Amino acid sequence: DTAVSQTPKYLVTQMGNDKSIKCEQNLGHDTMYWYKQDSKKFLKIMFSYNNKELIINETVPNRFSPKSPDKAHLNLHINSLELGDSAVYFCASSQVKGIGWATNEKLFFGSGTQLSVL
Amino acid sequence: ELKVEQNPLFLSMQEGKNYTIYCNYSTTSDRLYWYRQDPGKSLESLFVLLSNGAVKQEGRLMASLDTKARLSTLHITAAVHDLSATYFCAVNAGGTSYGKLTFGQGTILTVHP
Repeated sequence: DTAVSQTPKYLVTQMGNDKSIKCEQNLGHDTMYWYKQDSKKFLKIMFSYNNKELIINETVPNRFSPKSPDKAHLNLHINSLELGDSAVYFCASSQVKGIGWATNEKLFFGSGTQLSVL
Repeated sequence: ELKVEQNPLFLSMQEGKNYTIYCNYSTTSDRLYWYRQDPGKSLESLFVLLSNGAVKQEGRLMASLDTKARLSTLHITAAVHDLSATYFCAVNAGGTSYGKLTFGQGTILTVHP
C-alpha cells in the first residue's frame, strides 16, 4: 500500500485552464503539505494543513487553492494556469503532536505530479 | 528568513572513495533532515537529527549535526553506484511551524565505477 499517493502523476495542460491534483495518505497522520519543486530541483513549501485546518500559507498566488475534506486528503486546485506553474508538485504528510514536536516528525512524500503548462 | 545552503551542488565520485556533503543554515534550529531523491522519483527520508551532536548512520551514510556551528554533514564511506541520487538537507524552524521545512539546493551525487 502506498503511504502517500497523488494523482495524476503527469498533467499536461494549456495556459488558462483549471486543474486539480489529489493527494491521500493512509498513515493516520494529522498534517499534510504541498511542496513545489522547480526545474532547478529547488523545493519550497506552499501549504500545510493540520486536521483540516490551514496552518501554513506561503506567498502563493490566489490561483492556488488547497482543500482538505478530511485529514487524510489534501487536494490542490489551480485556476488559470500559467507557464510559470510548470513544476513538480509533491504532497507530503507527517504526524505532529501538539505544539511540541514528536521525536520523529519526518515528512513522507508522495511520488509527485509533474505539471506542464503549454 | 531561514536560508539553507549545501555544498557541493555537484559531486562526482569514484566507487570506493569517501566524501562529505555540507549543509549550513542561517538561523537557530535543532531539527535537521536529510532526504534522498532518485531521478523522477519522490523524496525518501534518510535521517532526522534532533539535537546538537546527533550522529546517525545507515549503511555507508553517516549524518551529524552541530547546532552551534549551524552545520550538518552527510559523510559517504566507500561509495557505491547505488548511492547516485540527489541529496537534500532541510531545516525546520521549529515552534508551531508544523513541518515547514526549508530545503537546501540539493547535491547531485554521481558515483562512477
